[in-house]
Amino acid sequence: QSVLTQPPSVSGAPGQRVTISCKGSSSNIGAAYDVHWYQQLPGTAPKLLIYGNNNRPSGVPDRFSGSKSGTSASLAITGLQAEDEADYYCQSFDSSLRDSVFGGGTKLTVL
Amino acid sequence: QVQLVESGGGLVKPGGSLRLSCAASGFTFSDYYMNWIRQAPGKGLECVSYISSSSNTINYADSVKGRFTVSRDNAKNSLYLQMNSLRAEDTAVYYCARDRMYDSSANTHWYFDLWGRGTPVTVSS
Repeated sequence: QSVLTQPPSVSGAPGQRVTISCKGSSSNIGAAYDVHWYQQLPGTAPKLLIYGNNNRPSGVPDRFSGSKSGTSASLAITGLQAEDEADYYCQSFDSSLRDSVFGGGTKLTVL
Repeated sequence: QVQLVESGGGLVKPGGSLRLSCAASGFTFSDYYMNWIRQAPGKGLECVSYISSSSNTINYADSVKGRFTVSRDNAKNSLYLQMNSLRAEDTAVYYCARDRMYDSSANTHWYFDLWGRGTPVTVSS
């Protein structure tokens, strides 16, 4: 059971917009800890996608965006492309565990 | 170039030991906290351990506390994870990851901006 809760899967057709939710609690996202997102393409290591709720590292397309409100956060992907098919993980810090925590991951399927 | 390369994984029997290494290059290793993060087959990501830049702050997940020891050698730009008393549930790909921290809204925030390719560990008889 992950500390942060994500839907196991989402899907969308090429060109569409999809969102992935990440639900936390008062000891992590609700305690004003920022949320970060990672993309893991099949058979590869995770890669930083969004940091500090809504900042993109250099090289990440602006089709990817993040937001945070209350005890939840979301990753939005617009103009869906086949190469976006991957697992996506949210991450934050938990003040009770005093450690970084991840969501269980969401598998994005591009139809 | 900027990279992390893990090594040392393999097949080990329950109760056995392994030592993982992570070689860093392309950046000033001694400036950063470093982490070990693992991913069991078909599962999500789990933070295993982190170590501060000068090794004076170390943390372990409850699942590995007392069995795993993290260390680093800044002169060799290397991070290590000594794993003892291994169990089947330790089977995973182990990633080395660089930590980035910043302060905002009265909190210190952490994320992982650079990952290695991982080294697989299988604990089985």
